[in-house]
Amino acid sequence: DTGVSQDPRHKITKRGQNVTFRCDPISEHNRLYWYRQTLGQGPEFLTYFQNEAQLEKSRLLSDRFSAERPKGSFSTLEIQRTEQGDSAMYLCASSLERGTGTEAFFGQGTRLTVV
Amino acid sequence: AQSVTQLDSQVPVFEEAPVELRCNYSSSVSVYLFWYVQYPNQGLQLLLKYLSGSTLVKGINGFEAEFNKSQTSFHLRKPSVHISDTAEYFCAVSAYGDDKIIFGKGTRLHILP
Repeated sequence: DTGVSQDPRHKITKRGQNVTFRCDPISEHNRLYWYRQTLGQGPEFLTYFQNEAQLEKSRLLSDRFSAERPKGSFSTLEIQRTEQGDSAMYLCASSLERGTGTEAFFGQGTRLTVV
Repeated sequence: AQSVTQLDSQVPVFEEAPVELRCNYSSSVSVYLFWYVQYPNQGLQLLLKYLSGSTLVKGINGFEAEFNKSQTSFHLRKPSVHISDTAEYFCAVSAYGDDKIIFGKGTRLHILP
């Protein structure tokens, strides 16, 4: 297993279009996280799953954003009706829940540019 | 809710000199603490973590950090930096019983020749 994989690495889209990103976590990891990172900022938490259940969503996640993790494996993050403010790096991370602190492993991200 | 403050957005330091990157956190409950590094055009990588026990934590690439509960700090140190340490460093916190990780805004480490 080579780690967390994200696809695509880059996406350019026109304002108003829908986009979908995919994340494949480390195979035995039951937790999966989505973060957003803009220039000069740290990663901002968006949402996370334990297996297929979405446990928490940030207030940053407007109703144009939806995330799924069917069957508790890969996850998708969809943004509908994209806006220029959605331009950012979208990071996925996964971890193995052990109840004693969570070390998350990150993918290289999908860079979204909305024009 | 937890929060993290990284006091310096950029830190310039000469090669082979020591460096300290400062981090303070806020939480009403006990926390786990992390430092992640992001090299240019690469993903986030864990440097070190504090879960419990000894307050001095050693990580990869010669970095270490000290947890200070009374000062709610988790500063990162390296006794002698190398040009390859040029990167952005993120301090992060996760509360007991809540496994989402909250990040600071990052500190960019510039190594001067």
